[in-house]
Amino acid sequence: AQSVAQPEDQVNVAEGNPLTVKCTYSVSGNPYLFWYVQYPNRGLQFLLKYITGDNLVKGSYGFEAEFNKSQTSFHLKKPSALVSDSALYFCAVRDDSGAGSYQLTFGKGTKLSVIP
Amino acid sequence: EAQVTQNPRYLITVTGKKLTVTCSQNMNHEYMSWYRQDPGLGLRQIYYSMNVEVTDKGDVPEGYKVSRKEKRNFPLILESPSPNQTSLYFCASSSNSLTFEQYFGPGTRLTVT
Repeated sequence: AQSVAQPEDQVNVAEGNPLTVKCTYSVSGNPYLFWYVQYPNRGLQFLLKYITGDNLVKGSYGFEAEFNKSQTSFHLKKPSALVSDSALYFCAVRDDSGAGSYQLTFGKGTKLSVIP
Repeated sequence: EAQVTQNPRYLITVTGKKLTVTCSQNMNHEYMSWYRQDPGLGLRQIYYSMNVEVTDKGDVPEGYKVSRKEKRNFPLILESPSPNQTSLYFCASSSNSLTFEQYFGPGTRLTVT
């Protein structure tokens, strides 16, 4: 079975500082990993994905994420946080092996607050 | 404009009264999915569909039904709603089941009393 953990319910960071939102995963085969963002009172938006290749992937709005196979992690990062980055962030995983491999599992979400 | 639409956006109903939440996409996407979002539980997948007439269970399918008779539509059916199905529901679609760059609908807030 596939699973995702976002160990922090909330992350606070000062505007201009770097931010990291953590995600770890568990799969039987190879992971396809994703980050989505939900702004207040709005739907979810795709940020970035890791399928294969370079471990550092770049996405929308200046976000990037680093895939670390040995640590089974896919942390979301941004060099300089903006107040407008304040939102709820979801990590998601798909296991490419076996039955149910088209199922997508999300984490519980991390609320990011960027303080002016 | 490329979009996923859901109707209704808000619904208050009573236990046991059958209801349908519609979902439609105009992007000719093959993959569609339903999720529910609950505080502290994040997003959980209910059902997904790889293409017309192909559906499969997600993590929390109990109490829900879906159908995919046309590529653009993927309705969610609650045959006998119960209060524990009170939630925020999202429909999503993507062109490629491999990459899962999903487009999400605006959400349907359902309250079952």
